Amino acid sequence: IAGITQAPTSQILAAGRRMTLRCTQDMRHNAMYWYRQDLGLGLRLIHYSNTAGTTGKGEVPDGYSVSRANTDDFPLTLASAVPSQTSVYFCASSRLAGGADTGELFFGEGSRLTVL
Amino acid sequence: GQNIDQPTEMTATEGAIVQINCTYQTSGFNGLFWYQQHAGEAPTFLSYNVLDGLEEKGRFSSFLSRSKGYSYLLLKELQMKDSASYLCAVMDSNYQLIWGAGTKLIIKP
Repeated sequence: IAGITQAPTSQILAAGRRMTLRCTQDMRHNAMYWYRQDLGLGLRLIHYSNTAGTTGKGEVPDGYSVSRANTDDFPLTLASAVPSQTSVYFCASSRLAGGADTGELFFGEGSRLTVL
Repeated sequence: GQNIDQPTEMTATEGAIVQINCTYQTSGFNGLFWYQQHAGEAPTFLSYNVLDGLEEKGRFSSFLSRSKGYSYLLLKELQMKDSASYLCAVMDSNYQLIWGAGTKLIIKP
């Protein structure tokens, strides 16, 4: 089934450790995004990529890095995790940047990360 | 600053109609979106409005007034499976989505 796959689905991590959340899509979408979702807050954009080889900072980029070596993969790395990075992380994609064509973002199932 | 406001929680009865409001203040406007998110799951796209008026899609309709910075999502013939959070999002002048915190809709039998 086509779509977006995230891994891991859940992880408990000690503070200070490095962690990479993986995201792969098979829809050949140009744009990909990483969001975090916290209780009582809207989805907040961490980083985005409008096309392979380019990335940009979102609303809350500090402490996170991304890469977009090819169309399909968009990993998110926490270089040194802190408790405030405890959250649910969603990867998403859209055919064009900003979802401007259909207005639709396709989301992965999420990665629940707990930093102790 | 940019802001999206929607009620935190609403309760409705199975078979009834419910209207979820969303007001926004953003730098520019390139469309308003509604997404549905069941607990523990990913958001899924419901609707997109860029022009004023009502867009109907089955039991769900979405309305937009750009001059008022206002939208609503109307759900008819409510079913238990409609229990979910409904997220309002606005695309700003930079084509970035600004998200509301979501409205948790509880459906009672």
